[in-house]
Amino acid sequence: ELKVEQNPLFLSMQEGKNYTIYCNYSTTSDRLYWYRQDPGKSLESLFVLLSNGAVKQEGRLMASLDTKARLSTLHITAAVHDLSATYFCAVVGGSNYKLTFGKGTLLTVNP
Amino acid sequence: DAGITQSPRHKVTETGTPVTLRCHQTENHRYMYWYRQDPGHGLRLIHYSYGVKDTDKGEVSDGYSVSRSKTEDFLLTLESATSSQTSVYFCAIRSWEANTEAFFGQGTRLTVV
Repeated sequence: ELKVEQNPLFLSMQEGKNYTIYCNYSTTSDRLYWYRQDPGKSLESLFVLLSNGAVKQEGRLMASLDTKARLSTLHITAAVHDLSATYFCAVVGGSNYKLTFGKGTLLTVNP
Repeated sequence: DAGITQSPRHKVTETGTPVTLRCHQTENHRYMYWYRQDPGHGLRLIHYSYGVKDTDKGEVSDGYSVSRSKTEDFLLTLESATSSQTSVYFCAIRSWEANTEAFFGQGTRLTVV
């Protein structure tokens, strides 16, 4: 059964610093998603990653995928307070169409 | 914005009563999902559908049933609500096409008293 692990679960950063959130998954997958969730809100789609070596960037966020290592990273560059949120990765695994989520990373960016 | 609507948005119900949540989409997407979100647990999959009348269980399906009689609607039913089912419920839709996003509804906050 597909398992998705994110780390860290909690991340407190200073503005201007860089950091990376990691997403490991346990079985072969044909696509991986990253989401952002603000408190009391729904999930907002950030990236869809399909192939090995895929890299996507939007503003201060950059996501990459290594299918051989079953690892995706979400890199935050020069963090700003507005990036404070919970970030989730989610993986579609195998032939059963399930979309399985990691537990999320609560990111707090401090001035 | 993706065409996905959940109803109701908020509901308070009594223990032992049946409850049905509705997810409606206008995108004609093949896959639909129901999740519950609780503090410390992230999003846990309850049931999902890969086509009309094709559904399967997720990791926390006990006490829940689903139906999908047409592409646009995916219903989640709590047969006899319990306090442990107090949660925020999210519906998601996803296309079979590879390079497309999976979109979420606004969520339904359910309180069982």
